[in-house]
Amino acid sequence: SQTIHQWPATLVQPVGSPLSLECTVEGTSNPNLYWYRQAAGRGLQLLFYSVGIGQISSEVPQNLSASRPQDRQFILSSKKLLLSDSGFYLCAWSVYRGLTYSPLHFGNGTRLTVT
Amino acid sequence: GESVGLHLPTLSVQEGDNSIINCAYSNSASDYFIWYKQESGKGPQFIIDIRSNMDKRQGQRVTVLLNKTVKHLSLQIAATQPGDSAVYFCAENGSNFGNEKLTFGTGTRLTIIP
Repeated sequence: SQTIHQWPATLVQPVGSPLSLECTVEGTSNPNLYWYRQAAGRGLQLLFYSVGIGQISSEVPQNLSASRPQDRQFILSSKKLLLSDSGFYLCAWSVYRGLTYSPLHFGNGTRLTVT
Repeated sequence: GESVGLHLPTLSVQEGDNSIINCAYSNSASDYFIWYKQESGKGPQFIIDIRSNMDKRQGQRVTVLLNKTVKHLSLQIAATQPGDSAVYFCAENGSNFGNEKLTFGTGTRLTIIP
């Protein structure tokens, strides 16, 4: 069965510091990978998605970037964090099932607090 | 732009009773709808989905109803249990292929009263 791992679970970082959040998927190959941000009381906002190694699409211009160095690894980064980057970051995957893609399956997220 | 919304932000239900969570969507081209459950401190968990060529789909203790005429989606949970307490999100997909156009509602918090 497929599993998704995100780490760290919580993170407190000062303004201006760099960020690296990692997500890995096991039990499947060539997944689509996604980074979402969830603000309190709001819906999920898609930040980036990737359909393959080195292929990144950005949905929202911001202070963040994403990379996919391996098939099942997705990394969310920032060179200098802003206070507004605080939030709950979720990684998700889906796979092609012949006619369409599977529903998104999410990791347990990283709670980022920028101080 | 398109949006997905929920009629009620909170819902309290007595344990053992049935619950209904509602969702409205505005994109008439959406053909795929999903319900997620999110417990505190965790990521959303897939519950059930439905395509626009169906009106109803059942899972274990859950039923999703789709009314395309009024663009309304509902999630019914039968015989609620304490573990059903969570935030429930609906999502609709404006793309008939990938998940890049998935739009999420803000969620309804369901509380099961023992």
